Amino acid sequence: DAMVIQNPRYQVTQFGKPVTLSCSQTLNHNVMYWYQQKSSQAPKLLFHYYDKDFNNEADTPDNFQSRRPNTSFCFLDIRSPGLGDAAMYLCATSRDPEETQYFGPGTRLLVL
Amino acid sequence: AQSVTQPDIHITVSEGASLELRCNYSYGATPYLFWYVQSPGQGLQLLLKYFSGDTLVQGIKGFEAEFKRSQSSFNLRKPSVHWSDAAEYFCAMNSGGSNYKLTFGKGTLLTVNP
Repeated sequence: DAMVIQNPRYQVTQFGKPVTLSCSQTLNHNVMYWYQQKSSQAPKLLFHYYDKDFNNEADTPDNFQSRRPNTSFCFLDIRSPGLGDAAMYLCATSRDPEETQYFGPGTRLLVL
Repeated sequence: AQSVTQPDIHITVSEGASLELRCNYSYGATPYLFWYVQSPGQGLQLLLKYFSGDTLVQGIKGFEAEFKRSQSSFNLRKPSVHWSDAAEYFCAMNSGGSNYKLTFGKGTLLTVNP
């Protein structure tokens, strides 16, 4: 089945230690998104790639970066995680920007 | 500015009872509308969507939603709730065109009593 895959499902890191979360898709969609979701809140968009074009949300901290080496993969890098970065990170894809977004299962990040 | 409001933070229903989750949007034209469901520790699963056409849309798991332009609403319904429906439900919209950004409501947590 075509799908959005996130690895790992759970990630534990130390305060200040860089961490990378991975997302891959078999849908061949043009757009890939990264969301941060804290407990009992709605997802918050961090940034997205439309093909190779990177689009950062204005309020996304500089601590968060992303890479998209090819159509299928997209990475979220947190350069120096703080305790406040502990959250669920959701990857989503859509064929085009105005079309339906399909979400992966998420990666739960814990910062110690 | 566009916004989505889900007035109910938490709803409890008995198994087998009917369900309606409310969603209101604020936007100057007809938006694209979505309902997603999120089980604990999981990602968001699309239940249904409305882009245009028939205002009553059918989704997965026996859910349906009705778009009412006059009320700026897109309420989600299910005639008979199952225990496995317990989850968080998010209503979302985008304004179509080249707009990429989903605007989410704050979610409604559904508890199902046996």
